[in-house]
Amino acid sequence: SQTIHQWPATLVQPVGSPLSLECTVEGTSNPNLYWYRQAAGRGLQLLFYSVGIGQISSEVPQNLSASRPQDRQFILSSKKLLLSDSGFYLCAWVRGGQGNTEAFFGQGTRLTVV
Amino acid sequence: GNSVTQMEGPVTLSEEAFLTINCTYTATGYPSLFWYVQYPGEGLQLLLKATKADDKGSNKGFEATYRKETTSFHLEKGSVQVSDSAVYFCALSGNTPLVFGKGTRLSVIA
Repeated sequence: SQTIHQWPATLVQPVGSPLSLECTVEGTSNPNLYWYRQAAGRGLQLLFYSVGIGQISSEVPQNLSASRPQDRQFILSSKKLLLSDSGFYLCAWVRGGQGNTEAFFGQGTRLTVV
Repeated sequence: GNSVTQMEGPVTLSEEAFLTINCTYTATGYPSLFWYVQYPGEGLQLLLKATKADDKGSNKGFEATYRKETTSFHLEKGSVQVSDSAVYFCALSGNTPLVFGKGTRLSVIA
């Protein structure tokens, strides 16, 4: 069966420090992978998605970047964190074609920038 | 573009009360519709889905019917339990990546 792993579960980082969150998927090949951020009162915001190695689409201008170095690996990064980067980050694997998409989520990373 | 609007919370109910969480959508074509649930400190889990008009998705006592004429996919449960306390997200998929509503927090008190 397919599983999605995301780590770390929680992270406290000072302002200006770098960030690297990792997401990996097992049991499937060439998955469509997504990074979402959930901030209080703002629901679920799509940050990046990737349909293949080296292919990244950015939905919202951010202090963040994403990379897809391997087929089943998706990394969210920042060179210098801001206070506003605090939130709950979720990686998702999305399968299915147009009009019949289904998403499977990792357990999330709670990031607090101090 | 595609969008989802769901009722703002929080919603607080007594155990065994009837639940409705409204969700309406805007989309081109014929999207699939979903409800996801997020328990405290966890990621999202698929609760139910419907892929075409008039389909009814159901799971764990929750139901939602895909209404194309009113572009709605309201979530209902006849008798909520304390364990149903969570945040519920309505979502759609179509020509664009999966789009979510802002979520509705439900608290059920004994």
